[in-house]
Amino acid sequence: EDQVTQSPEALRLQEGESSSLNCSYTVSGLRGLFWYRQDPGKGPEFLFTLYSAGEEKEKERLKATLTKKESFLHITAPKPEDSATYLCAVQGTSSYKLIFGSGTRLLVRP
Amino acid sequence: GAGVSQTPSNKVTEKGKYVELRCDPISGHTALYWYRQSLGQGPEFLIYFQGTGAADDSGLPNDRFFAVRPEGSVSTLKIQRTERGDSAVYLCASSLLGVDTQYFGPGTRLTVL
Repeated sequence: EDQVTQSPEALRLQEGESSSLNCSYTVSGLRGLFWYRQDPGKGPEFLFTLYSAGEEKEKERLKATLTKKESFLHITAPKPEDSATYLCAVQGTSSYKLIFGSGTRLLVRP
Repeated sequence: GAGVSQTPSNKVTEKGKYVELRCDPISGHTALYWYRQSLGQGPEFLIYFQGTGAADDSGLPNDRFFAVRPEGSVSTLKIQRTERGDSAVYLCASSLLGVDTQYFGPGTRLTVL
């Protein structure tokens, strides 16, 4: 069964304190791994898609990496506006649906 | 351009009532998805449309849930005989072809009293 596990559940950082969020997955065949950001009361906002092990993508202070079993979302020198829930999802080759993890709630204090 | 829109943004109903939730996808997107998100959890897949047809409805929890997309654009999620356990945020997403990135709407928060 396809499954996604995210850790930690919650993370508190001081502004400027870099860290990483983990997404471990099992899927019969990976079509893509997706990272989304979700603010309270809003829908998920697309950040990155990764397709194969070794791939990396960057956007401002965020960098996503992918191995055969997990993905990391690295946050460099975060700012308070980076506070949100970060969701990881996989899409297998047998289906077009996304399987989501429960998310990591990130709080960046000024 | 305009993103995915959903109406209403909030819906409060009583146990046993019927509700309809509407989704307007991004113009030109052929694929449309419905997900349900409970507090503190990630979205859970309900149903996927490619054009007018439901290509995968394996996530619908029971026969009280039904969705349509008659003209291949707007979709309506219908819930009969609502139960308190149906309370959640219902999210709609669309993608250009199905294999590509899914873009989400703001969701409809359904509360069943």
